[in-house]
Order: sequence, then C-alpha cells, then structure tokens
Amino acid sequence: KNQVEQSPQSLIILEGKNCTLQCNYTVSPFSNLRWYKQDTGRGPVSLTIMTFSENTKSNGRYTATLDADTKQSSLHITASQLSDSASYICVVRGSGNTPLVFGKGTRLSVIA
Amino acid sequence: GAGVSQSPSNKVTEKGKDVELRCDPISGHTALYWYRQSLGQGLEFLIYFQGNSAPDKSGLPSDRFSAERTGGSVSTLTIQRTQQEDSAVYLCASSSYLAVSTDTQYFGPGTRLTVL
Repeated sequence: KNQVEQSPQSLIILEGKNCTLQCNYTVSPFSNLRWYKQDTGRGPVSLTIMTFSENTKSNGRYTATLDADTKQSSLHITASQLSDSASYICVVRGSGNTPLVFGKGTRLSVIA
Repeated sequence: GAGVSQSPSNKVTEKGKDVELRCDPISGHTALYWYRQSLGQGLEFLIYFQGNSAPDKSGLPSDRFSAERTGGSVSTLTIQRTQQEDSAVYLCASSSYLAVSTDTQYFGPGTRLTVL
C-alpha cells in the first residue's frame, strides 16, 4: 500500500534554532517528492519538488534531502522564524496515474 | 486574482442537505484537483480533471459526491445528503501540467464544511 509517514507529529522550537522534519514513504514506483507548507486556515504552498535523481534542494532557509534507496526525505529549516510556524506536509507522486499520496504533516511551532 | 480561489470559505449545513463548493483555478491551468482534509488527517485525494479527458474519480468516497468542471475552468464539488462525517476542509488545487514530474499544484484557501 502506498503510504507516506511523517515524524515528528508536532514540534516546538525556539526562534533562531534549526530543526529537521522526517518523511518516509512506500510509494512505488516513485516519480517525485514534494514538501508543502500549510499555514493555519490556508491551502498548502509548495516549498520543493525533488525527482529520483536529486539528493538535495534548497529554497531559502529550507533544505530538502532525498534518499530514493531508503525512501526517506528530510526538510531542514535553518534559523527558524516565528513565521515558520505551520504544518509541513510531505507528498509523494508515483509513476503513471497514481494520485499524490500525502503525509499527515508535522505541526511546527516556533516560539520567541 | 492570480491564485486559486474557492467559495464559500465556510459552510455550515444540516445533515441531509446538499452543498455545492466552487473552485476557480489559475487561468490557463489545465489540471484541477479536489482534496479533503479532515481534522488531524492528511489530505485525501477526491477527484482530478485534466483538460478534456475523463476525470479521475477514484478518490470519491461515495456516490453522494460528484464534481463537474465546466468549460475547462471553474469546478463545482457537490455533496448530496450530507453526513456529519463529511465535515472537513475541502481544498482545490490547479496546475499547468507541463510535465508530470514538475507540475506544482497551487492550492486555494479551502472551504470549511461543517455538517450539524
């Protein structure tokens, strides 16, 4: 069964600190993996998209890594800001007509 | 506007009533998706429209759910005889579908549906 598991479920960090969110998936065959940021009451916004051949991709203070062999991805946030408080959702697309498989997200709270 | 818009933003209805949710995708985007997000759950795929192709309805949870996309643009998700378990945020997304590997989906703000 195609699944995407994220950890931790929630995380609280102090402003300025770094953090890493994890995503493990069983979707096969694999096409690409995306990380989305979803602010409370808003729709998700794409942060990164990574294909099979990409190991790392950055978007400002966000850096995503992908290990297609172990089917793991991480999202690293550097020098966190209060505005980083949101849910971060890992999404995997399989090949062909497989719809996107969404993780349940990690709820990040950055506090002063 | 430049983004995906959805209406209404909030909808409260009584059990058994029908509801219609609207999505206006980004102009020119040929692909349109509907998702459901229940409290504490991940996004659940409902239906996918791509151009003039037959929609992928594989995610619709029951025959009470249906969706249309008129003129390749605006889409309406209809839920008939609503049940309390239908309460969720319904999200619409569109993409240009330039390539399966890179089609970024742009999400609307969602419609929060509450069935009493």
